[in-house]
Amino acid sequence: ELKVEQNPLFLSMQEGKNYTIYCNYSTTSDRLYWYRQDPGKSLESLFVLLSNGAVKQEGRLMASLDTKARLSTLHITAAVHDLSATYFCAVDPPRGGTASKLTFGTGTRLQVTL
Amino acid sequence: DGGITQSPKYLFRKEGQNVTLSCEQNLNHDAMYWYRQDPGQGLRLIYYSQIVNDFQKGDIAEGYSVSREKKESFPLTVTSAQKNPTAFYLCASSPGPGVYQETQYFGPGTRLLVL
Repeated sequence: ELKVEQNPLFLSMQEGKNYTIYCNYSTTSDRLYWYRQDPGKSLESLFVLLSNGAVKQEGRLMASLDTKARLSTLHITAAVHDLSATYFCAVDPPRGGTASKLTFGTGTRLQVTL
Repeated sequence: DGGITQSPKYLFRKEGQNVTLSCEQNLNHDAMYWYRQDPGQGLRLIYYSQIVNDFQKGDIAEGYSVSREKKESFPLTVTSAQKNPTAFYLCASSPGPGVYQETQYFGPGTRLLVL
């Protein structure tokens, strides 16, 4: 059974600081996703990482994937209040041509304070 | 304006009642999914469908049923057998396997509450 663990579960950080969210998973994966969820809202796709060593950046967020370590990181640079949200990683195991079946982590709730 | 719509936004269920949540997409996606989210937790897969007239159970299918009669529609019925249905229900769709960087896109969600 695929297990996905995120840490920390809650992160309070000051504006302007840097921090990293970690996502560990237990079995081989085809791809890994990062999503953002604002309170009471749906999920917004941030990144899809397809291969070992993949790195993607959008604004102050950068995601990376190490398939050998079964680890993905989401790095936040110079945080701003607008980044306050819950961030989920989701893993898609090898599926041989079938539809994806994502397993989600429990989420990291990020609170950026002034 | 392409996207995924879910209705209603809020739904109240009485004990013993079946209720149906609607999900429609106009993205021409082959695959559709239903997830359940409990407070402070991640999403869990209920059912998914790769093509019309086909669907598969996810990790927590007991107490739920689905149909996929049209490509754009994937309704979810919460039956009276689901003893703890209070949750946030999210529908998603994706282009299907073989699409580079295939991603699941989510609808706005339906919040189900038990009276």
